[in-house]
Amino acid sequence: GQNIDQPTEMTATEGAIVQINCTYQTSGFNGLFWYQQHAGEAPTFLSYNVLDGLEEKGRFSSFLSRSKGYSYLLLKELQMKDSASYLCAVRGDSNYQLIWGAGTKLIIKP
Amino acid sequence: NAGVTQTPKFQVLKTGQSMTLQCAQDMNHEYMSWYRQDPGMGLRLIHYSVGAGITDQGEVPNGYNVSRSTTEDFPLRLLSAAPSQTSVYFCASSKHFLLQGGSNQPQHFGDGTRLSIL
Repeated sequence: GQNIDQPTEMTATEGAIVQINCTYQTSGFNGLFWYQQHAGEAPTFLSYNVLDGLEEKGRFSSFLSRSKGYSYLLLKELQMKDSASYLCAVRGDSNYQLIWGAGTKLIIKP
Repeated sequence: NAGVTQTPKFQVLKTGQSMTLQCAQDMNHEYMSWYRQDPGMGLRLIHYSVGAGITDQGEVPNGYNVSRSTTEDFPLRLLSAAPSQTSVYFCASSKHFLLQGGSNQPQHFGDGTRLSIL
């Protein structure tokens, strides 16, 4: 079957760095997405990886290792507004639809 | 910029009632989809469409119908509501990942419809 695993919840301190991991087992691979979702709101796009390596976008970076079926989202200089759920999604081969992880709820403490 | 607009934002139904959730996008996106989001689970695809007149089933299509008569609109119909359909429903759209030459097209989400079935 197809599966995406993320930790359910993580806690970090304002100003620190946190790494949110995502492992996947899918039928084929055509890219991995990270989305941010604040409570009661819609998911919003953060990053996309299709080749191995690190993609950096300001305070956020995303890493991919296709051979390991592994990605992480790195958030630096954490701010209170980063408190949200972070969703990992993989585009597989089955009609190219996205397969979604359950999300990681990130709690930022002052 | 409206983006993806969903209505209503909240709805309470009784078991057996039917209703239509509306979704409209103004970005000329070919691809549109409906998801449901339940606690502790990832977004699950209900139905999707790659263009006007074309729809297909996702992971959890039972109890739902869709149609795509125009590029802009993609309504989701609940035929006979059941308590198991209590959920948050999101509509999303994107450029077609195949037609645009890449699979990197992010999906743009509406604000969601919070649906309770009693």
